[in-house]
Order: sequence, then C-alpha cells, then structure tokens
Amino acid sequence: GESVGLHLPTLSVQEGDNSIINCAYSNSASDYFIWYKQESGKGPQFIIDIRSNMDKRQGQRVTVLLNKTVKHLSLQIAATQPGDSAVYFCAEIVDTGGFKTIFGAGTRLFVKA
Amino acid sequence: KAGVTQTPRYLIKTRGQQVTLSCSPISGHRSVSWYQQTPGQGLQFLFEYFSETQRNKGNFPGRFSGRQFSNSRSEMNVSTLELGDSALYLCASSLLASSSYNEQFFGPGTRLTVL
Repeated sequence: GESVGLHLPTLSVQEGDNSIINCAYSNSASDYFIWYKQESGKGPQFIIDIRSNMDKRQGQRVTVLLNKTVKHLSLQIAATQPGDSAVYFCAEIVDTGGFKTIFGAGTRLFVKA
Repeated sequence: KAGVTQTPRYLIKTRGQQVTLSCSPISGHRSVSWYQQTPGQGLQFLFEYFSETQRNKGNFPGRFSGRQFSNSRSEMNVSTLELGDSALYLCASSLLASSSYNEQFFGPGTRLTVL
C-alpha cells in the first residue's frame, strides 16, 4: 500500500532533552501534514498539523517543520517527558475527492528518566 | 462527549471465516474512516464513508468492505479471512467531509487475530 516514511526507527532520549523525529513523504500534492502520537493500546492521537503553504508551526512544546523541496517533515518536542514515550506517526492528507490519510511507518520514542 | 467506540475490542477467528467490526463515531460526526495497522505495513487506509456513501478507498482486495448507516455508525466486513489479515483495525471519525480537511479522532481499535 501507499506509505510515508521508512522503517520504524527508535529514538531514545533523556528526560528534559529535546527530541527530533523525522519523516519523508512521497506525494507532493498533499494539502496537510499531521503528526500523531500512539500510546500502547490506544488509537493515534492528533498532536499538530501544518498546511502545505507553511514551513513551520508551533504548538505547546512541539514544533513541526515542513521542507517541501526535499519532501521532509520533522517534529520537535521540547523538554521531553516520560509521558511523551510513544510511537509517533507522520501523515499526509491527499484530497482525491475524499480525504485519504497516508501514514508513515512511525518512530518509537523512549524517554529515559 | 463520548469518543469513538469500536466493538469488539478483541476478536479471534480462523482462516476462511468472515468478520464484522463496528464503529460508533463521535456524536455529530458524519465521516468515518477505517485503517488497518500491522507491524509490517504500518497504518494503511481502507476506506472512508460520509453520509452512507463510500468516498474513498485504499488498495485492499474486495474481501474488505464496509458500510455506513443513517446514524453514521459504520461497519467493516472481511470475508474469507487470511492469516495476513491479523491486525489492529482502527476507525476514525471527523465532523464532516468538506473541501477542507477535518481533524480525525481515532477509536481504540479492534485487535483481530486470524488462526
């Protein structure tokens, strides 16, 4: 099937440090990009989104950067906390008459106390 | 306001059987999308329904089908189950399917195991 991103990598960071999770996407026609967080036993939870006409958006402790030239998306988490431990997915939204969400493979984030 | 609910949460079936999964969207939400999540393939889009009509479909065989009822509740069906259908099936609802993307809210999923 269609996919965004590569294999599921793992990122391990110390509590309090900043985390950067990267993602490569394939469809240059996408209108939106979204980062989701998925904790064990739960469905994905929306973190932050960015429109294709922007290159940066900030939320609470999170920043998303979009580089359309190289089709790259990143999520920066400031002052990472143990509660941030989860799998993070990037996703692109393509409008094909209906909205199709194409997810990346995900990155597992471990936060060491 | 209650979130997206999916039933059952866990299901065990054998090859060749068929299965029906149910999803109740957030009250007032009219769009329901289904996804399959496996360790090997990640999260893959199955289909999206809005006002009882399928608006979008992913790259899955015809054994995978779905429908949406007038109250926006949705079901998906998988016939002639294969071992590879073992996965977490996620449902997501959004307020409406318009010209602008609406945030999706995911349910906890149904874990299907095919033996």
